Amino acid sequence: DTGVSQDPRHKITKRGQNVTFRCDPISEHNRLYWYRQTLGQGPEFLTYFQNEAQLEKSRLLSDRFSAERPKGSFSTLEIQRTEQGDSAMYLCASSSGRGLNLYNEQFFGPGTRLTVL
Amino acid sequence: DAKTTQPPSMDCAEGRAANLPCNHSTISGNEYVYWYRQIHSQGPQYIIHGLKNNETNEMASLIITEDRKSSTLILPHATLRDTAVYYCIVRVEVTDSWGKLQFGAGTQVVVTP
Repeated sequence: DTGVSQDPRHKITKRGQNVTFRCDPISEHNRLYWYRQTLGQGPEFLTYFQNEAQLEKSRLLSDRFSAERPKGSFSTLEIQRTEQGDSAMYLCASSSGRGLNLYNEQFFGPGTRLTVL
Repeated sequence: DAKTTQPPSMDCAEGRAANLPCNHSTISGNEYVYWYRQIHSQGPQYIIHGLKNNETNEMASLIITEDRKSSTLILPHATLRDTAVYYCIVRVEVTDSWGKLQFGAGTQVVVTP
């Protein structure tokens, strides 16, 4: 399978614990995005990487959230001191960012569903 | 980026065409219309996009009104697998734009046998 993969698919944690999610983009895609989706709503943008550089962070990304993309390949999203309000689906997407097309569609992974008790 | 308005839900009979409307009355001249869909428990999937001309691909057709204030996504022969939330997004597209997507609540489409 050459799509975007995310791990774990589900995570249940207690309030105050730290959690880390991993995203493996499509090989050679240099753009990587994180989104968050709560029940009944569309995904909300969190942050964007071009290669290893984090170029934009949403105001939704509080200081308890940190994302990395070492070497421009996989990415991790860590949430420290989780709160019940962090319960959501965390989606990762990648796009190629190359070629003559102005628009390079984003390919989404299946998401990691976080439940904070 | 301009905002969009979509009906919260709609039903469609299997085998019939599904016509999904989207209003984007404040769209700017350089903003494109994109459609994504999200099947339950999966990530969103790109369907189609366009600027002012109608577009067609293997999944759907996109009809944009002449004033560009609204558009319709057409699924020509809906199947049960087309049951999903459909998102209409408008966004500026410029060279080298990296393109974060701003999703609304979308339209829940249920295709019934």
